[in-house]
Amino acid sequence: EAQVTQNPRYLITVTGKKLTVTCSQNMNHEYMSWYRQDPGLGLRQIYYSMNVEVTDKGDVPEGYKVSRKEKRNFPLILESPSPNQTSLYFCASSLSRLAGAGELFFGEGSRLTVL
Amino acid sequence: KNEVEQSPQNLTAQEGEFITINCSYSVGISALHWLQQHPGGGIVSLFMLSSGKKKHGRLIATINIQEKHSSLHITASHPRDSAVYICAVRGGADGLTFGKGTHLIIQP
Repeated sequence: EAQVTQNPRYLITVTGKKLTVTCSQNMNHEYMSWYRQDPGLGLRQIYYSMNVEVTDKGDVPEGYKVSRKEKRNFPLILESPSPNQTSLYFCASSLSRLAGAGELFFGEGSRLTVL
Repeated sequence: KNEVEQSPQNLTAQEGEFITINCSYSVGISALHWLQQHPGGGIVSLFMLSSGKKKHGRLIATINIQEKHSSLHITASHPRDSAVYICAVRGGADGLTFGKGTHLIIQP
């Protein structure tokens, strides 16, 4: 089954404790991206990647890191989480390497709480 | 930076009604997406448009590039259509810009 898989789905952590949210797709998609969704603000792009070893900042990259060492995986790293990073996070992928030029497939979301 | 406005923000209707959700954007685009998010959070892609009109079942999406406007229509609405509908636009190479979403409730 074609899918984007995120883990963990739910996580409560404390300020400063490094964490990684994994994202994996099995569709051989070129484009992968991370978004956060906050009440009243909608979805905002954190980072995106058009290909292996190619990553770019989105609208709200501060406090986050990403890597794209393999085509299928695009982990989101919070080196030192802070409470303002409490949010619902989505990973998405698309066949076309151009942002938004192909149908988007979303993971089920990861709800992160930073105390 | 593209500004994406959706209207209405909230919409409650009765089962069977014809629903229209609007999306306007400020800068010319190459593609527009309509997404659906059910309670519980998952997001699915409904349509990707660059011109004209697309139909899938009871859903119809249209786009007018000159007027920088798109509409999503639902015919014969059903309670299972209750969800948040999100418009997203692709301008240049710098990713997608999203609207804040329209919360739709269809009452039986």
